Amino acid sequence: QVQLVESGGGVVQPGGSLRLSCAASGFRFNGYGMHWVRQAPGKGLEWVAYISTDGINKYYADSMKGRFTISRDNSKNTLSLQVNSLRTEDTAVYYCARDRRGWCVESWGQGTLVTVPS
Amino acid sequence: QSVLTQAPSVSGAPGQRVTISCTGSSSNIGAGYDVHWYQQVPGTAPKLLIYGHSNRPSGVPDRFSGSKSGTSASLAITGLQAEDEADYYCQSYDSSLSGVVFGGGTKLTVL
Repeated sequence: QVQLVESGGGVVQPGGSLRLSCAASGFRFNGYGMHWVRQAPGKGLEWVAYISTDGINKYYADSMKGRFTISRDNSKNTLSLQVNSLRTEDTAVYYCARDRRGWCVESWGQGTLVTVPS
Repeated sequence: QSVLTQAPSVSGAPGQRVTISCTGSSSNIGAGYDVHWYQQVPGTAPKLLIYGHSNRPSGVPDRFSGSKSGTSASLAITGLQAEDEADYYCQSYDSSLSGVVFGGGTKLTVL
């Protein structure tokens, strides 16, 4: 079955950087677009970014452009998210998710918590 | 402020029917982009409930149904059960933003 396992979260001081990873298994990774979605404590879901199957096409939420970089390594079945210049408002659980046709976020990982203290 | 608008909360008694609405605009739902619905039990990851307006993934009970009209979409839950208590989110694509958009979420309380 589809498994998505995020890692790399933790406590990072404001201004710092972090690289989140997502290990995918149970499906043909290079056949699916992938998303990152985040959720601040007690808040709703916020889409972060999407990457196409071959890694060429990347899309970001407007508020994420410039500091967030999505990438993938199809040889290692791994999705990544590089976040720079972290701010307190970036504190959230970050979910890795598989795309279904029609910009549908089909399968979700369990999430990894990023905390940027004030 | 979310691009897709949902009521913050809704409630119903066991066995009743509730609907959760999602209002968008001409750049997302009204433009013909698919609407999807997710269920999130607190403390867990979201789960896809409805895709493409009205399709259920394998394993989702037929008590859950979706529809779309104009710039809005709705999720209906019939025969409410205690286990349905969760947060529900609608989602679509927005051509003006060139990206995925979510509703703010609706908290369903089963009385």
